[in-house]
Amino acid sequence: DTGVSQDPRHKITKRGQNVTFRCDPISEHNRLYWYRQTLGQGPEFLTYFQNEAQLEKSRLLSDRFSAERPKGSFSTLEIQRTEQGDSAMYLCASSYPGTSGGGEQYFGPGTRLTVT
Amino acid sequence: QKEVEQNSGPLSVPEGAIASLNCTYSDRGSQSFFWYRQYSGKSPELIMFIYSNGDKEDGRFTAQLNKASQYVSLLIRDSQPSDSATYLCAVNDDYKLSFGAGTTVTVRA
Repeated sequence: DTGVSQDPRHKITKRGQNVTFRCDPISEHNRLYWYRQTLGQGPEFLTYFQNEAQLEKSRLLSDRFSAERPKGSFSTLEIQRTEQGDSAMYLCASSYPGTSGGGEQYFGPGTRLTVT
Repeated sequence: QKEVEQNSGPLSVPEGAIASLNCTYSDRGSQSFFWYRQYSGKSPELIMFIYSNGDKEDGRFTAQLNKASQYVSLLIRDSQPSDSATYLCAVNDDYKLSFGAGTTVTVRA
């Protein structure tokens, strides 16, 4: 068990560019989540997958954001036409179905995005 | 997302003391409750979870849940400087988590 990994750890991009982040969950976990965190706030839910199916997407999520998990293993989060307000830490978490709710979620190290 | 409120910080405690963190949540139907520790610039680390009313102890940490009052707390006994971090309370909202804004704890030597 090597934990959740994310790549890249840091990304600086210019406004209007597209960026893509990757998340590799813990191998036996079938649920994968994306969250976004800004300074002084708790993580905010973006979307989640069970295996390869995207089961929920936040209503707050702009159409510029898209996520995939093509084979039920790793996932990618793409942001098109980035804006300065997209600057945040993007967190990926994974879980195994628990006895209640979604089970315990374990986070990766995050990708810090800075849009200039 | 469901509302999760945490007591505003920062909380400063002397080394060796008990740090007490509080969290209330809005949805009476919530089933799962989590405490994460987050060091500055790092990602959240799961330190405790609790599903049933009462207390759950793990080392120096105790989580307390009172579903009738919609209240969950975290006690850190014998606080150490390494406990200085932001503590996030999270509540399940179906399969996703709703987080509070966190309480920053500083343990002074």
